[in-house]
Formats: sequence, structure tokens, C-alpha cells
Amino acid sequence: EAGVAQSPRYKIIEKRQSVAFWCNPISGHATLYWYQQILGQGPKLLIQFQNNGVVDDSQLPKDRFSAERLKGVDSTLKIQPAKLEDSAVYLCASSSSRAGVSSYNEQFFGPGTRLTVL
Amino acid sequence: AQSVAQPEDQVNVAEGNPLTVKCTYSVSGNPYLFWYVQYPNRGLQFLLKYITGDNLVKGSYGFEAEFNKSQTSFHLKKPSALVSDSALYFCAVRDRGASGGSYIPTFGRGTSLIVHP
Repeated sequence: EAGVAQSPRYKIIEKRQSVAFWCNPISGHATLYWYQQILGQGPKLLIQFQNNGVVDDSQLPKDRFSAERLKGVDSTLKIQPAKLEDSAVYLCASSSSRAGVSSYNEQFFGPGTRLTVL
Repeated sequence: AQSVAQPEDQVNVAEGNPLTVKCTYSVSGNPYLFWYVQYPNRGLQFLLKYITGDNLVKGSYGFEAEFNKSQTSFHLKKPSALVSDSALYFCAVRDRGASGGSYIPTFGRGTSLIVHP
């Protein structure tokens, strides 16, 4: 079984530039998560999708971050414009959870994209 | 709001000795609890979880964890550590939502486990 794929693996940009990350979850996994992991901290959930709908985006800085999962499979996370404090590893994860109820299924994580904002 | 605390930034243990990585949590309802491991340059991997039932949960690579409701803890343990266990360990919690808590997963800041030969 193929794992969660993410690209690019590394990205360096100047502040105020835009950047996009791509994620392909495990086949058949309806739930997809984007996390931000700042150095020395645990992953922080940015947004959770169930198929192509948003389940939770309460921690997504919507003035600069956006995410979509148009066909309920692949997802993209965009930052526009980037700030220095956005430097982090962006993790994508998927699970076979059902929406609307507390999920007890484990998540499968991709390798992450390390973003450096200069 | 739910939270997770991993009080130790780093745990050092000699190979062959037992290890414990501590985790305490706070939720408004009843928790789902998870442990993940992160090896260098790799994504997080699921180790084990507590949903309900037996308080002692067994997981991958010989790890186990004990759910203690009165102490709101979910410490990770292994009877005999291996050098290859050296990695970053994350505890995570999700509220089951019975008391209107958040469903979103919350992770601790991680504990670096170093096993010395």
C-alpha cells in the first residue's frame, strides 16, 4: 500500500512570496489533515477535510492560508503572502475516519514539506 | 480546551533498560489517546492508541502504554530499550465529544528518546 505523498520536500522563498504544497493521501482514505510543525513543537492542525468538505479549519490563518480538496482526493495548501513565522514543516495526513463523530482511527503521515521563509 | 503535556524534552536510557515517556492530558469529555514516533527525516508513524476497555494497550515494536483516568496520564513504556528506538515521540489526544469538546487532534510538543549502547 502506497503511503501519503507530499511535494515538494523542501521549499525556500522570500517573505511576501506565495507557495503551494501538494498532498496525495492513501487510496480510499476519506479524511485528510494538514498540520504545521514548527521546530521544537508538536504538529498543530490547520485544516481537516472529509472527502471534499471542510470539517474543521478553526486554526487556519485564513487571511493568508487556504486549502482545497476539490475532488475529494488530492489536496493543496497555499500561503499567500508568506511571513517569516511560517517557516515550518507542513505535514499532510490521512485516515479512514468518518466525519461528524470523534475519530479513533490512527492517522498516516506523509514525509512533510520543509518551508523556509527568508 | 483540550491539551497534552509531555513534561520531558529528552529521555536518556541505556540499551536493555526499561523506558518510560510521560504524557498527561486534559479534555472536557473522555479521550482517545495516541502515541506516534518520528524518526529523523521521516513522517510520524502510529505506535498505539487507547479507545476504550483494557487500560494497558500494546502497540508496535514492543511498546505499550497505560491509560490512567484518575491521573489523566498515558505514559509510553517498553521493558527493554533498543538503540533503534531512539527517535522523537509524540502523544496526542482527541476528545470523544460527549461534553461538547473539540474533535480535532492535539499533539504534545514531543519527547526525544535517546538510547545509549
